[in-house]
Amino acid sequence: QQQVKQSPQSLIVQKGGISIINCAYENTAFDYFPWYQQFPGKGPALLIAIRPDVSEKKEGRFTISFNKSAKQFSLHIMDSQPGDSATYFCAARIIQAGTALIFGKGTTLSVSS
Amino acid sequence: NAGVTQTPKFQVLKTGQSMTLQCAQDMNHNSMYWYRQDPGMGLRLIYYSASEGTTDKGEVPNGYNVSRLNKREFSLRLESAAPSQTSVYFCASTWGGRLNTEAFFGQGTRLTVV
Repeated sequence: QQQVKQSPQSLIVQKGGISIINCAYENTAFDYFPWYQQFPGKGPALLIAIRPDVSEKKEGRFTISFNKSAKQFSLHIMDSQPGDSATYFCAARIIQAGTALIFGKGTTLSVSS
Repeated sequence: NAGVTQTPKFQVLKTGQSMTLQCAQDMNHNSMYWYRQDPGMGLRLIYYSASEGTTDKGEVPNGYNVSRLNKREFSLRLESAAPSQTSVYFCASTWGGRLNTEAFFGQGTRLTVV
């Protein structure tokens, strides 16, 4: 039972372009939405996260846009670089319930130089 | 700080064999998790422990057991390995509180069951 749907499965972007990855969730009780970045052979690492009381959060070239009414959130990578080539996972969690992160299926991003 | 340490990094098992995957964290985190990662399936939760002394099933618990040995350690046991359990296994930990919610992952254990 997938509660977080992520698209696209794979993405190829030219260097300097904008990478956009989308996620949709079903459970309105989710109150924490992180994005994780994973390089081959490594564990996922937190990239950026947002709570539902804000519509956008920016950290450097990475921005999360959050649409509570549509139950959707997206990751934008501006000025994409070859070093950004990795797998990206969106996730969601109900913090107060002490539950675990539920992950999307992941997006493999390749930035061509 | 080592963060989250998983052992072993690689393992090959024969069908029916048993083994225990070890996980330890040195960040004094309260909550610990086991996920499996399969191509195209993302990270699926096997079991988690919200605090020392408690464990709960995740999305795919069948064929696995866990033990929260103490606050630092959370092990995952395969009693009778099956080829369907071939996967990369990740352990993670968090404070479990409301403010500090970042999950830290280990480097993974790549398990092949033949």
